Amino acid sequence: KAGVTQTPRYLIKTRGQQVTLSCSPISGHRSVSWYQQTPGQGLQFLFEYFSETQRNKGNFPGRFSGRQFSNSRSEMNVSTLELGDSALYLCASSLGFGSGGSYEQYFGPGTRLTVT
Amino acid sequence: SQQGEEDPQALSIQEGENATMNCSYKTSINNLQWYRQNSGRGLVHLILIRSNEREKHSGRLRVTLDTSKKSSSLLITASRAADTASYFCATADSNYQLIWGAGTKLIIKP
Repeated sequence: KAGVTQTPRYLIKTRGQQVTLSCSPISGHRSVSWYQQTPGQGLQFLFEYFSETQRNKGNFPGRFSGRQFSNSRSEMNVSTLELGDSALYLCASSLGFGSGGSYEQYFGPGTRLTVT
Repeated sequence: SQQGEEDPQALSIQEGENATMNCSYKTSINNLQWYRQNSGRGLVHLILIRSNEREKHSGRLRVTLDTSKKSSSLLITASRAADTASYFCATADSNYQLIWGAGTKLIIKP
């Protein structure tokens, strides 16, 4: 099976702009989670989608949003970019959601976003 | 706030030696997972241990879980250069979100 793919891999944006990142999960996986990884804060959970519905949301401002399509592909959007949004954005897919973390997550390579 | 806290933050050992890293968490859990991240393969799932399990093995990996102490340990035996990576534990909070520790950076010296 093909792994989780994320596009683009690298992105440079200017403060105030918006950005859309894309994630294609492993075939058959219906849950997609998004994470932000920075050296200072580590891995921070953004949100999780399952069957096109947001099931969980982390503690991020409303500028961060996402959606999931019927084929389980997901996008996340960050509006009005700030310098602090510079990070590695990781997408992970799994067979199910929740259940106390019972499902192994398969991660994509990430999108490295730099905001200048 | 972080649910899991790995210890030590960094570990450097000789190839062939064993490496042990620890994870402590704050609230009750159903499961605990360990992941590895390196530049070559990204973030990869290693092992999941359920709250009713005390020990689990996978190849050269051994994970223990002590729910009374709210801690877990990951042992890598006979380390190899390819084990050089950051290791993270992750637990689910009451909202079933995976909460991650800051990670242990492991360096295997040849």
